[in-house]
Amino acid sequence: SQTIHQWPATLVQPVGSPLSLECTVEGTSNPNLYWYRQAAGRGLQLLFYSVGIGQISSEVPQNLSASRPQDRQFILSSKKLLLSDSGFYLCAWRATSNQPQHFGDGTRLSIL
Amino acid sequence: ELKVEQNPLFLSMQEGKNYTIYCNYSTTSDRLYWYRQDPGKSLESLFVLLSNGAVKQEGRLMASLDTKARLSTLHITAAVHDLSATYFCAVDPQGGSEKLVFGKGTKLTVNP
Repeated sequence: SQTIHQWPATLVQPVGSPLSLECTVEGTSNPNLYWYRQAAGRGLQLLFYSVGIGQISSEVPQNLSASRPQDRQFILSSKKLLLSDSGFYLCAWRATSNQPQHFGDGTRLSIL
Repeated sequence: ELKVEQNPLFLSMQEGKNYTIYCNYSTTSDRLYWYRQDPGKSLESLFVLLSNGAVKQEGRLMASLDTKARLSTLHITAAVHDLSATYFCAVDPQGGSEKLVFGKGTKLTVNP
């Protein structure tokens, strides 16, 4: 069966520090991969998605970037975090367009 | 551009009562998904609706899709406290897209 791993679960970072969040999927090949951010009590904001290795689509101009160095690995990065980058970050994967997206457990990021 | 609206956004109900959450979308689609999110947790896939008239049931929850009305409903029967969560609908744009468009979510609180 397919599983998605996302880490770390919780992260506290100072303003201006770098960020790297990692997501990996097991049990499937060539998945579509997604990064979302959810502010407290709010809906989901799609940040990036990828349909293949090295292919990244950005949805919202911002302080973040994403990379997909391997088929089942998706990384969210920042060179310098802002206070507004705080939130709950969710990685998701999807096999085909007739299937739901499956979400990882999320990373709760707090910027001090 | 596809827009997805859920209502109500907040719902407080008593145990044992019935209620319906609505998900309207603005452009043609025949693929819709319902998710559940518990506080502080990730999203869990509940239902996959892939055609007009599709109906899915799991326990006290039943979801349906009317593609002509561009409407999906999530009906709650005899609510129990364990159903307290935020429920999201998500729609696949017609013609194929790698992205789902999510509603803002309905926060359901079931009171004893």
